[in-house]
Amino acid sequence: KAGVTQTPRYLIKTRGQQVTLSCSPISGHRSVSWYQQTPGQGLQFLFEYFSETQRNKGNFPGRFSGRQFSNSRSEMNVSTLELGDSALYLCASSLGQVLIGEETQYFGPGTRLLVL
Amino acid sequence: AQKVTQAQTEISVVEKEDVTLDCVYETRDTTYYLFWYKQPPSGELVFLIRRNSFDEQNEISGRYSWNFQKSTSSFNFTITASQVVDSAVYFCALSEASGGSYIPTFGRGTSLIVHP
Repeated sequence: KAGVTQTPRYLIKTRGQQVTLSCSPISGHRSVSWYQQTPGQGLQFLFEYFSETQRNKGNFPGRFSGRQFSNSRSEMNVSTLELGDSALYLCASSLGQVLIGEETQYFGPGTRLLVL
Repeated sequence: AQKVTQAQTEISVVEKEDVTLDCVYETRDTTYYLFWYKQPPSGELVFLIRRNSFDEQNEISGRYSWNFQKSTSSFNFTITASQVVDSAVYFCALSEASGGSYIPTFGRGTSLIVHP
């Protein structure tokens, strides 16, 4: 069974641009969660989608948005990029919702975004 | 104030030693979830365990064991007979309800180095 895939793996953007990251969960998984990891702020939760609905959202500005499609694939979008958005963005999939204690999570390799 | 404190920034041990990673959390909720994750040098997060606040039973999985004590708000992780492959950064996380959503908060991580 294929694991969680994230594309692209590396990305360089400039301030003010927008970016879209993609996450394909393990086949059959219905929940996708996104996380941001930076040296300064550490690991932070962005949002969780389950069956195309955003179920939980972290404390991030509205520039960060996401969606989930009917095939469970998910995208996250960051508009008007700032230098501080440079980070490793991790995606995880699970059969059910993880944050309310239902399932095991499986993580993708991440997308490393550099904003210049 | 930090909700999840991993006071040990870095631990260095020699192979076959036992090692305990500490995690202290802070919450006013009665229902919450605690997690441990492993991030090896490759960068891909690995979900290790989830424990809900109503289940104080300790858990053992192979060389890994977890000690959950509500009285001291701690959820410590022990690796028995450590191996070089255990070298990684380990994160503890707390998921508590906030306005109907569950938002996980991560500790800063403990870097474990196991020397051969």
